[in-house]
Parts: sequence; structure tokens; C-alpha cells
Amino acid sequence: GAVVSQHPSRVICKSGTSVKIECRSLDFQATTMFWYRQFPKQSLMLMATSNEGSKATYEQGVEKDKFLINHASLTLSTLTVTSAHPEDSSFYICSALSLRGREQYFGPGTRLTVT
Amino acid sequence: TQLLEQSPQFLSIQEGENLTVYCNSSSVFSSLQWYRQEPGEGPVLLVTVVTGGEVKKLKRLTFQFGDARKDSSLHITAAQPGDTGLYLCAGLYNNNDMRFGAGTRLTVKP
Repeated sequence: GAVVSQHPSRVICKSGTSVKIECRSLDFQATTMFWYRQFPKQSLMLMATSNEGSKATYEQGVEKDKFLINHASLTLSTLTVTSAHPEDSSFYICSALSLRGREQYFGPGTRLTVT
Repeated sequence: TQLLEQSPQFLSIQEGENLTVYCNSSSVFSSLQWYRQEPGEGPVLLVTVVTGGEVKKLKRLTFQFGDARKDSSLHITAAQPGDTGLYLCAGLYNNNDMRFGAGTRLTVKP
């Protein structure tokens, strides 16, 4: 199956700093990538849809100025959590839509802890 | 707002029992995927169903897509402790809008 990598896998940062998370599709091109947030023992919550070469589409309630998304190439999307606060601590997962457009392949996730 | 209703949310059974997880929507899916996720990892794709009425089997797992492409089920036969995990259904709408169900947390006790 298709492979999606995510970096870093874990990050601890201080309150007020910014953190960048990278999502890469390793063996296929993805015009569309998704960013999710997952709280313990819960399902995935879609934050935004990232389209290569255009602005991301954010879900209702997700602050676009706080969660900056850049999809500069067909294999890379980045999520930057700006001015992080402890309540931003969570498991962030990206996914990439296959070329056929029917399947999502997920990255392994990034555990963010804001102290 | 959840476009997909997944049930049950929690399921705890003994090894060897059978179980079924359901995923329902009022909207028609372009396709539907089932994923399994273990703690601290990303979801892993199990199967994609596309055609109404489609049935796919993956060892002891049987996936069914409703004729109207609005619902799906996952049936596990003779569950084993290794099947423990979070099972997620995800429906693709309009070719790039994918929504997840709330998930079913399955625990299989030895």
C-alpha cells in the first residue's frame, strides 16, 4: 500500500512557541491531504483539507491563523501550530488521498505536548 | 456534525465470539473505507468498497456495502485478542470530502 510519513513523531514545546509538522507521501503524489486531530479514545476530527497549490479549507471552529497549512508540492503538506498552548496538546494525524481519489493513507501521527 | 453513524461505540467480547460493526449515513458515498487503529499509531486501511452490494473478505473479516451505498458493515468471525483496536469507517462524499464515524473500540478478552 501507499506510504505516508509524518515528522516529527513526538514533540514537546513550551507554551507560546510554534511547531511545524510535516506530512509526506513517499511513493505517490497527493493533490489532496487532510489534517486530523485525535483526542484520547476518540475518533479522528478533521481540521482541514489541504490542496496542492491553493489555500486549505478549514473545518468550522478551526482557527486558520493558529493552524497554518501549506501544501507546496504534490508530496508535502505542513501544519504549523502557532503560539501553542497546553490545550493544543493532542495527536495530530495527516493523510493523503490516493490518485484514484478513493482511499486515504494515513501517516503514523505526531504527539504534540505543550508545556 | 457526524455524517456517519457508527455503532456500537464500545464492544467487549470473549475470544471466539463473532461481532458486527455498523456504519450508516443518510447520504450516498462515492466509496467507503474501513480502518483499524492501534494506540499511538495512525489508522491502517483494511478495505475499500465502491460498488453497492459489494462484499469483501479479509481472512476472518467480512465487509459489506449496502445496495444504496449509504451503509456498510464489518463482521469479524471468531474474534481473537489480536483484533483488539479502534475500528473506523470513513465515507467519501463528492470525491474529496471524507468523513469518519465515531469509531468502535473493540476489546477481545482471552
